[in-house]
Amino acid sequence: DTGVSQDPRHKITKRGQNVTFRCDPISEHNRLYWYRQTLGQGPEFLTYFQNEAQLEKSRLLSDRFSAERPKGSFSTLEIQRTEQGDSAMYLCASSLVGGLATTNTGELFFGEGSRLTVL
Amino acid sequence: AQKITQTQPGMFVQEKEAVTLDCTYDTSDPSYGLFWYKQPSSGEMIFLIYQGSYDQQNATEGRYSLNFQKARKSANLVISASQLGDSAMYFCAMRERNSGYALNFGKGTSLLVTP
Repeated sequence: DTGVSQDPRHKITKRGQNVTFRCDPISEHNRLYWYRQTLGQGPEFLTYFQNEAQLEKSRLLSDRFSAERPKGSFSTLEIQRTEQGDSAMYLCASSLVGGLATTNTGELFFGEGSRLTVL
Repeated sequence: AQKITQTQPGMFVQEKEAVTLDCTYDTSDPSYGLFWYKQPSSGEMIFLIYQGSYDQQNATEGRYSLNFQKARKSANLVISASQLGDSAMYFCAMRERNSGYALNFGKGTSLLVTP
């Protein structure tokens, strides 16, 4: 399977603990995005990377959240000192922008998400 | 301010009938793209169709078509010949030129296809 993969798929943690999610994008994609989705809502943008550079962060991304994409391939999203309000589905997506693509809508390809439950 | 508005929290349609899911958007950027995604109960987001702001014709992809009315800032999704497998959440999203290709999503419409 060469789609976007996320790990773990489910994580249950106690309030105050740290959690880390990993995302492996489609290999030739240069952009990687993190979104958060709560029940009954659409995905909300958190941050995105162009290769290894983090180019934009949403105001939703508090200081307890940090994302990295050290070699421009996989990415990690860490949440420190989790709170119950962090319970959500964390979605990763990737896209190919520019380059030699002749037809490129810039559509995002999503992984299946990592569901976080904070008790 | 909400950039994408989906006013229908839930919709029902009978199998084999057509259904229209509404989406209006707000932007001052002349260059933007509009997307529709499907999210079944399993959770993955599946890309359905794309419309660019400069595209002259409405986009079509199989049973999906996008009714793009630029002056009204609407981009409604039309699903023809509904199938039971079309039951899912449907999200409209917009990408603006200066947004770094990040998508802004609406709150979604839940579609239930009945036999």
